[in-house]
Amino acid sequence: EAAVTQSPRNKVTVTGGNVTLSCRQTNSHNYMYWYRQDTGHGLRLIHYSYGAGNLQIGDVPDGYKATRTTQEDFFLLLELASPSQTSLYFCASSAGTGGNTLYFGAGTRLSVL
Amino acid sequence: GDSVTQTEGLVTLTEGLPVMLNCTYQTIYSNPFLFWYVQHLNESPRLLLKSFTDNKRTEHQGFHATLHKSSSSFHLQKSSAQLSDSALYYCASTGGYKVVFGSGTRLLVSP
Repeated sequence: EAAVTQSPRNKVTVTGGNVTLSCRQTNSHNYMYWYRQDTGHGLRLIHYSYGAGNLQIGDVPDGYKATRTTQEDFFLLLELASPSQTSLYFCASSAGTGGNTLYFGAGTRLSVL
Repeated sequence: GDSVTQTEGLVTLTEGLPVMLNCTYQTIYSNPFLFWYVQHLNESPRLLLKSFTDNKRTEHQGFHATLHKSSSSFHLQKSSAQLSDSALYYCASTGGYKVVFGSGTRLLVSP
């Protein structure tokens, strides 16, 4: 089973604050993804990457930056956090595209006050 | 762009009754992969089943789905619901780099 580890598991910040969410996968997967999960919206793709140094824009990128420093590590940055970014964030990885399975981390619950 | 539609936000059933969760999709790709992911309470989503082949039934853990390209559908079914099936179910599709998810259907099974 693929291992994807997210940290922190919970985070509280204030409006305008700076937040970094971390994700590490140890299965040599090429693809990594950041999703946010909100009731009524499901899982929405923020950013994704297919290798170290690569970044692709997802469907809801506004207010988010991301960086893939190594094959293992993918970070999501909120530089001026807003209450609308209060959500449950999932990182996922996969070996490739097409029929490859997404393996999700345990999630980070972020509250922006 | 690509999209996945799950029309039911909540489905409530009595244990033992059949389950059917609807999923339709729109894609620019002629050969998309379709997936069902399941997320139990306080857990992360995990793959339930997936398919690429038109008109072929795919089964896993008592659930089954058939990809119908003619109607762009990939409905999830089970003959008899169990209490442990209560969860959030996501339909998803991909034909390229992105995996697009539907809004999810919460299934609640009661005794």
